[in-house]
Amino acid sequence: QLQMVESGEGLVKPGGSLRLSCTASGFTFRDNYMTWIRQAPGKGLEWVAHISSSNKSAYYADSVRGRFAISRDNAKKIVYLQMNSLRGEDTAVYYCARVYVVGGYMDVWGKGATVIVS
Amino acid sequence: QSALTQPPSVSGSPGQSVTISCTGTNSDIGAYNRVSWYQQSPGTAPKLIIYEVRNRPSGVPDRFSGAKSGNTASLTISGLQAEDEADYYCSSYTISNTFVFGGGTKVTVL
Repeated sequence: QLQMVESGEGLVKPGGSLRLSCTASGFTFRDNYMTWIRQAPGKGLEWVAHISSSNKSAYYADSVRGRFAISRDNAKKIVYLQMNSLRGEDTAVYYCARVYVVGGYMDVWGKGATVIVS
Repeated sequence: QSALTQPPSVSGSPGQSVTISCTGTNSDIGAYNRVSWYQQSPGTAPKLIIYEVRNRPSGVPDRFSGAKSGNTASLTISGLQAEDEADYYCSSYTISNTFVFGGGTKVTVL
């Protein structure tokens, strides 16, 4: 069945780094774009970044550009989010999802990973 | 990358219809038919309920419908049920190859 499982969550000090991983199963990972979306406590959804199926193109929200990096390993079916220079406002639940850029939607979501910057 | 504009809350009695608006710009909603809607219950991940303005994924009840006119999209829930009480988010792809979400709307079933 289609599934995403995030890992790597944790508590980190301001200025620190953390890497989230998302392992996919149930579909042909290498054929699909992937994305990270976050949700701060009590707040709405915020798109963070997405990456092409081939790993050649990546796009970022202004709020994280230059600090975060999205990447993927198609052999392992994992998408990563490397987060550097973390700030308090990066505290959130981070979801990975399969994204169809042509249609503009995310159809399969993980359960989320909690990142606390404090 | 300004968020799309949604009303913070809407409410209705069981059986009634409610509509949630989602207003963007010519750079996002107005540019493409790449508008989607997500339902999120407390403590759970969002769930896709509408994609490409008006299409429903398999398993989503047909009481959920979507539309778009110019820079504004809308989600209508017809025949409101208790289980529809949740937060709803719109999203659009943009001309900058990014995504933008609305601030979310809490639907309350009275």
